[in-house]
Parts: sequence; C-alpha cells; structure tokens
Amino acid sequence: GQNIDQPTEMTATEGAIVQINCTYQTSGFNGLFWYQQHAGEAPTFLSYNVLDGLEEKGRFSSFLSRSKGYSYLLLKELQMKDSASYLCAVLKAAGNKLTFGGGTRVLVKP
Amino acid sequence: EAQVTQNPRYLITVTGKKLTVTCSQNMNHEYMSWYRQDPGLGLRQIYYSMNVEVTDKGDVPEGYKVSRKEKRNFPLILESPSPNQTSLYFCASSPSLPTDTQYFGPGTRLTVL
Repeated sequence: GQNIDQPTEMTATEGAIVQINCTYQTSGFNGLFWYQQHAGEAPTFLSYNVLDGLEEKGRFSSFLSRSKGYSYLLLKELQMKDSASYLCAVLKAAGNKLTFGGGTRVLVKP
Repeated sequence: EAQVTQNPRYLITVTGKKLTVTCSQNMNHEYMSWYRQDPGLGLRQIYYSMNVEVTDKGDVPEGYKVSRKEKRNFPLILESPSPNQTSLYFCASSPSLPTDTQYFGPGTRLTVL
C-alpha cells in the first residue's frame, strides 16, 4: 500500500517563504506530483519529480529524495493568491495508479 | 479551447437511482481518470483508463463502473448510489501516461439522500 503524509495546515506571511513537506511509503515508485487547488476549484499541476534533486519553476521549487521517501514544495515570495491547498501525489510504478495525500492548506496573511 | 468537461456540475439524487456523470476531453488524451474528494481524505482515485477499452481500478472502485468506448469520453456510472457516495468528483486526462501533466475537469458535486 501507500502512505502519504503532509501537514494539514500552514500559515505564512506575504513575501515570506513556506516549505511543505511530503513523506511517502510505497512499494514501487514512478514519480511524485504537486498540485495546487484553490477552494471550490479543480487541482492544477505544479510539478513532477521522478529523479532526486531540486526542480525550480519561478517562485515554486520541488525537491525529491527517493531513498528517504521525501519531497518538499517550496513557495517563495508568497503572494495572497498563493493561499490554497497543496496536494502531494505519488505514482505507483506498476499499474499507473496515482495516490494523493490529504493536502496542506496554506494561508497567506498580509 | 483545450478542456475537460463534466456534466452535471451539481446533482442531488436518492439512494438506489442509477446515475451517470459524463466526462469529455477535446485534447486527444489517452489517459483519463476519475477521483473523488472528501474532507480530510484528499483526492482518491476511483478508476482510470490508459486508452480505449482499457480500464483499471484505482484505490476506491467499489460502487462505481466506468467505460471507455471512445477516446474522448469516460463516463462514471453509479448503478445504485448510496449516501456514502456523496462527494465531489473530478475527472482528469493527460496525453499518455499519468507522468504527463493531468488536466482536471471542473468537478461534480453529488449528494445522495
């Protein structure tokens, strides 16, 4: 089976940095996704990591360590519009099943 | 415009009355998937399809059926809905494997009384 853990909620100040951690246990691994979901809307793709290391896309970066079963999403220069839930999802190697964590709600305060 | 559409967007029904939620994409994507989202449980995959006539169970397939007769459509069928299927449902598609970016539909909020 798969266990995916991420914090339920985080609060940060506009302009600051927030790091959202995701740990997972899986029998077979084919990559890890991060999605952003604003309240009442559909998730939108942020990043996909399959190799170890850091991938940077503008204000957002995602890191993966396969040996540790660990990923994080780093949001820099926070803006009010970044207030949303951030979903970590693991793709299982066999069968192409995608399993999501419970999501982390980030609240950005002025 | 490239998009994933779902219908209906909102539905209130009663226990046992068969219903179908349609999902259609206009991007010629091979991979399509259905998820349900419940508070505290996150998104859970119900069924997915790698291509026409190829479907597989996700993590929570009980009580649901799907079909993939055409590439663009992937309907979700609830033969005998029950109150525990009250949820927010999302359809998604991606070009080939789910390692590609998945595009989500707008969601269908289903209430089963």
